[in-house]
Amino acid sequence: NFMLTQPHSVSESPGKTVTISCTGSSGSIASNYVQWYQQRPGSAPTTVIYEDNQRPSGVPDRFSGSIDSSSNSASLTISGLKTEDEADYYCQSYDSSNHEVFGGGTKLTVL
Amino acid sequence: QLQLQESGPGLVKPSETLSLTCTVSGGSISSSDYYWAWIRQPPGKGLEWIGSIYYTGSTYYNPSLKSRVTISVDTSKNQFSLKLNSVTAADTAVYYCANKCTDPRIAVAGVHAFDIWGQGTMVTVSS
Repeated sequence: NFMLTQPHSVSESPGKTVTISCTGSSGSIASNYVQWYQQRPGSAPTTVIYEDNQRPSGVPDRFSGSIDSSSNSASLTISGLKTEDEADYYCQSYDSSNHEVFGGGTKLTVL
Repeated sequence: QLQLQESGPGLVKPSETLSLTCTVSGGSISSSDYYWAWIRQPPGKGLEWIGSIYYTGSTYYNPSLKSRVTISVDTSKNQFSLKLNSVTAADTAVYYCANKCTDPRIAVAGVHAFDIWGQGTMVTVSS
């Protein structure tokens, strides 16, 4: 089964840049779009990146997404970190059988 | 503005069936513009897709749960539902209903992202 692997946690200081990776277990991660969600405690997830690198309206351009086929990974980069960015982040994609897959999630600490 | 709201028992006994309903407002459950899904999150853990249903009635289930899951639509009530059989403590989670938009012209975040989520409902499996 197709799986997405994320680091359990990352931390960085305010104003810095952090990158969260999402590695596909099989096939090419570039074959299907990757989405990224932000989830704050007690709330439902919200989309911060869709279709690999697109931002929904209202999401700051400090958030960006990319795909690296050589490492079969997607990445979420957040620049100019703010304390309000502290949250859990999940990548999501799907397989050829219309099965959705979420990464295990990464806890971002801004300290 | 499309909104989703989960409802159902907060406590289910082991071996019984978990039943949840998601009520859709601000749009039609039978519209070809949407695709409906259930996603869960055990306490302190990550998101797990349970399954999805299209307006055509086609269903897709997580292979790890497929033998125990049924998702269906009730167009008369503008609702879709989840039934999970033979539950154990491992099924304790916050259950979310969510949707994807199939029309890129009206989608907020493309047609591959879960666009709208319910607030989630906590279900505990315990005797």
